[in-house]
Amino acid sequence: EIVLTQSPGTLSLSPGERATLSCRASQSVSSTYLAWYQQKPGQAPRLLIYGASSRATGISDRFSGSGSGTDFTLTISRLEPEDFAVYYCQQYGSSPQYTFGQGTKLEIK
Amino acid sequence: QVQLQESGPGLVKPSETLSLTCTVSGVSSRSNYWSWIRQTPGKGLEWIGYFSYGGGTDYNPSLMSRVTISGDTSKNQFSLRLTSVAAADTAVYYCATGDFRKFDNWGQGTLVTVSS
Repeated sequence: EIVLTQSPGTLSLSPGERATLSCRASQSVSSTYLAWYQQKPGQAPRLLIYGASSRATGISDRFSGSGSGTDFTLTISRLEPEDFAVYYCQQYGSSPQYTFGQGTKLEIK
Repeated sequence: QVQLQESGPGLVKPSETLSLTCTVSGVSSRSNYWSWIRQTPGKGLEWIGYFSYGGGTDYNPSLMSRVTISGDTSKNQFSLRLTSVAAADTAVYYCATGDFRKFDNWGQGTLVTVSS
């Protein structure tokens, strides 16, 4: 099983600042199969990024993804109030076919 | 626009079977993997399994002995059965659709509590 470890667990920033979230895999993951989601309280996760760097439909260009192998990054260039949420990375690959990271909570400082 | 809605009991007794149904509207031919995912405070997001539009299924090995996912594409519905439930199966259960790599669309989620 590929374990995804996200860091930091909690990130405290102010609106307008840049956020950098990390996702590290226990084994190499194809970039094609790495995705990021945003989850707000009481809501389902929402797909932000797939293929490590492609934005999903309707997602602001303030969100960008990068990385390869075992290290992936989600960057939010200028934080808006609605960006404060929990973010998860997810990989498709070895059994079980899909695993998620434990999440990074982005909170207002 | 794809919309998904979970339905089913919110309370299940220990050792009994959890059954949920997801109704999908606006389904795209690209969203041909229909999955169940659950979320708990302790274990986070856990993929349970999928039904593919072509009729195949796959399950998380950790749950495989207790899970069945079936689908009725003519009704745009798919279902989850989880047998012999215990308190550890208490979770918010989501249905989701997408291609084989990712989950593009999610239902709102339904809380299922296992308790006598």
